[in-house]
Amino acid sequence: AQTVTQSQPEMSVQEAETVTLSCTYDTSESDYYLFWYKQPPSRQMILVIRQEAYKQQNATENRFSVNFQKAAKSFSLKISDSQLGDAAMYFCAYRSDNQGGSEKLVFGKGTKLTVNP
Amino acid sequence: NAGVMQNPRHLVRRRGQEARLRCSPMKGHSHVYWYRQLPEEGLKFMVYLQKENIIDESGMPKERFSAEFPKEGPSILRIQQVVRGDSAAYFCASSPAGWHTEAFFGQGTRLTVV
Repeated sequence: AQTVTQSQPEMSVQEAETVTLSCTYDTSESDYYLFWYKQPPSRQMILVIRQEAYKQQNATENRFSVNFQKAAKSFSLKISDSQLGDAAMYFCAYRSDNQGGSEKLVFGKGTKLTVNP
Repeated sequence: NAGVMQNPRHLVRRRGQEARLRCSPMKGHSHVYWYRQLPEEGLKFMVYLQKENIIDESGMPKERFSAEFPKEGPSILRIQQVVRGDSAAYFCASSPAGWHTEAFFGQGTRLTVV
């Protein structure tokens, strides 16, 4: 079974600075997707960024980028120019790309990010 | 296009009562997923349904929990004889048919068992 580990329960960053959130995962599959979700106090799960495992190029979305190391099974999220609105819980998630299998997401336990003004 | 709608947002039940959580997927979406989030935890998969079919219920507790997604109407997650340990946030996500598609989450239902 796949597992996702986020080793940092809490992180903090100064406004306008850069922060990196760590995520490692365990799988025997070669094809899969990785995601970062943001959960603000409203509880809404918001997709931040996704990465297809077959793509070598790291995904980027504006101030958010990932460092995907497939061999090391590592998928970290970098937030540049941090803003107060970035404060939230961040969850790393895995989904198999095995057609015919379940499309379920496997989540890590989350990292609580605080942004200091 | 309205997002995934879950109701109620908050639900309080006494031990032994039944809880019914509703999820209306986004328009055009035929796949529904239910997840449970315990305090200080990530989301845990419960069940994956398509219209009138349960595709994967590997995350559902064996007893008291059931889910359906009828041809018409919302998906329902039903918890019978609730206990304190059922207190959690329950999230629904939906996606359109087909692979390589994105799932969109609702805002969740927070169930409190007193």
